[in-house]
Amino acid sequence: GAVVSQHPSWVICKSGTSVKIECRSLDFQATTMFWYRQFPKQSLMLMATSNEGSKATYEQGVEKDKFLINHASLTLSTLTVTSAHPEDSSFYICSASRGRLYNSPLHFGNGTRLTVT
Amino acid sequence: GDSVTQMEGPVTLSEEAFLTINCTYTATGYPSLFWYVQYPGEGLQLLLKATKADDKGSNKGFEATYRKETTSFHLEKGSVQVSDSAVYFCALNTDKLIFGTGTRLQVFP
Repeated sequence: GAVVSQHPSWVICKSGTSVKIECRSLDFQATTMFWYRQFPKQSLMLMATSNEGSKATYEQGVEKDKFLINHASLTLSTLTVTSAHPEDSSFYICSASRGRLYNSPLHFGNGTRLTVT
Repeated sequence: GDSVTQMEGPVTLSEEAFLTINCTYTATGYPSLFWYVQYPGEGLQLLLKATKADDKGSNKGFEATYRKETTSFHLEKGSVQVSDSAVYFCALNTDKLIFGTGTRLQVFP
């Protein structure tokens, strides 16, 4: 089946530094990828939708200058948390869709646990 | 806007008990509905789906029926196993996937 690989699985960084998280679709071309943030009480919040070759669409309340998304190829999207602060500590999950239509289930990465000290 | 509401957990059951996890939704248009499961230490996986009213999704003994009149998509299983212990997420999909808060299920022998 389809596999989405997310790297790193966990990262610890100091406040003020930037962290890049990669999301790769291993056996299909993902024209659309999604980034979610999972809060401690398990709610999954959609942060942004990234389409290959175009700018990401951010959800209301998500700072696009803080959470930089790049989808430069059909198999790779990256999320960079810039100038991270402790409140950015969370679990970030990416998912990928085969097409631009969203009525299909998504394939998820295993997530990245970010801890900002 | 579109939203999903599911019952808070944890849900604690003994093995072979009957499971219901409630899920209701609010959406404009005609969403597809999904249940995803996250086993300990693993990523999210699709459990089942239904794409139109009165459809029943089923997988691994779990079932959920798309009820448009009650805007619900409750997850049920007749006899749970310890291996079903996980977090279950209800989700709807119109132009983007919206998740509920997740419900942790703990099944004890």
